[in-house]
Order: sequence, then C-alpha cells, then structure tokens
Amino acid sequence: KAGVTQTPRYLIKTRGQQVTLSCSPISGHRSVSWYQQTPGQGLQFLFEYFSETQRNKGNFPGRFSGRQFSNSRSEMNVSTLELGDSALYLCASSLVTGGQTDTQYFGPGTRLTVL
Amino acid sequence: QKEVEQDPGPLSVPEGAIVSLNCTYSNSAFQYFMWYRQYSRKGPELLMYTYSSGNKEDGRFTAQVDKSSKYISLFIRDSQPSDSATYLCATYTGGFKTIFGAGTRLFVKA
Repeated sequence: KAGVTQTPRYLIKTRGQQVTLSCSPISGHRSVSWYQQTPGQGLQFLFEYFSETQRNKGNFPGRFSGRQFSNSRSEMNVSTLELGDSALYLCASSLVTGGQTDTQYFGPGTRLTVL
Repeated sequence: QKEVEQDPGPLSVPEGAIVSLNCTYSNSAFQYFMWYRQYSRKGPELLMYTYSSGNKEDGRFTAQVDKSSKYISLFIRDSQPSDSATYLCATYTGGFKTIFGAGTRLFVKA
C-alpha cells in the first residue's frame, strides 16, 4: 500500500507570496492532519480534516488555511509568507474509527524556504 | 506546562549500548501512546504504538507506559549507528488531535 505523499518536496518563495502544498493520504484514510516542524518549536499542529470538514485547529494565524477534497486529498495554503514560515510542513493521515482518529502516518514533508 | 515533556538531548551513546528515551505527560485522559523515529530531512515514521500501561516489545525496541506516574519510555537494545535519529513521543485521547513531545536527538557512535 502506498504511503502518504506530499508535493512538492521543496519550495523556495519570497516574503509576501503565497504557497499551496498538497497531500495524498494512504488509501482508505479519511483523516488528514497538517503540522509545521521547525528546529526551535518542534512539531506544531496546524489543523485536521475529516470528510472535507476541519475538525480541529491549532494556534496559527488565519494566513494558514486548508481544505480537503472528496477523495480525502488535502491542500494547505499559506498567504502573505513571512520569513518565520520557513519550515518542514508535514502531512499525516489516519483511519477514523467510531469518529475518532487512529494512529497517524506521516508523509516525507515539504520543505519551504522563505527568502 | 506542556502536555507532553521530552528532553531534546542530544543523547550520545556508543554502539551496542542500551538507550533509554523518556517522556512525561500531564493529562491522565491520554490513552494511546506512540513513538516515532525521524531521520534527518525525512518525515516521522511510526515505531511503536501502545494502549494502556505495560510493556510492548518489537525486536530491539521496547515501549513502556506507566500511567500511574504519567511516564512513557522507549528502550533500544544493542543500539546501532543506524538508530541515530530524532525520537518523538506522542499521545492522544482518541479524539482529533495528537500531541507530540519535542523529540530527543540520538547519536549512536560506531
């Protein structure tokens, strides 16, 4: 079974631009979560989607948004990029049983550099 | 206070040593506990998954959960240079959000 895939793997943008990252979950997984990982802050939860609905959201500004499609694929968007947005963005997918999220499996991440 | 505390290290050990990695958590409602391994410039991969207190063994790896003290551990026996990575503990209540520790960087020297 194919794992979680993320595209693109690397991105370089400049301040003020916007960016869209894509995630394809493991087949059958309907929950997709996004995380930001930086050396100083570790893994920070961004948001989680299930059945095209955002169920949970972390403490990030409104510049960070996401969506999920009917095939469970998900995208996240960051508008008006700032230098501090440089990070590894990780997507994780999981099964949902009885409405609750099971163990998460991560993709390889998208490394975003903002200049 | 963070919900999951983990010493970031780094931890450096010689090849063949027994490694002990630890986390503490604050919420007694947490039921599921995981350990992830993350190599440099890669995404975390699930290493061990446990539910409730007790030990779980998988090859050279043993995960231990002590709910009474809110303490989780990962032991690596006969450590190898290929075990050099960042190890993240994680937990959740079965709801929507997984909470991760900061990760401990481990170096195993040949």
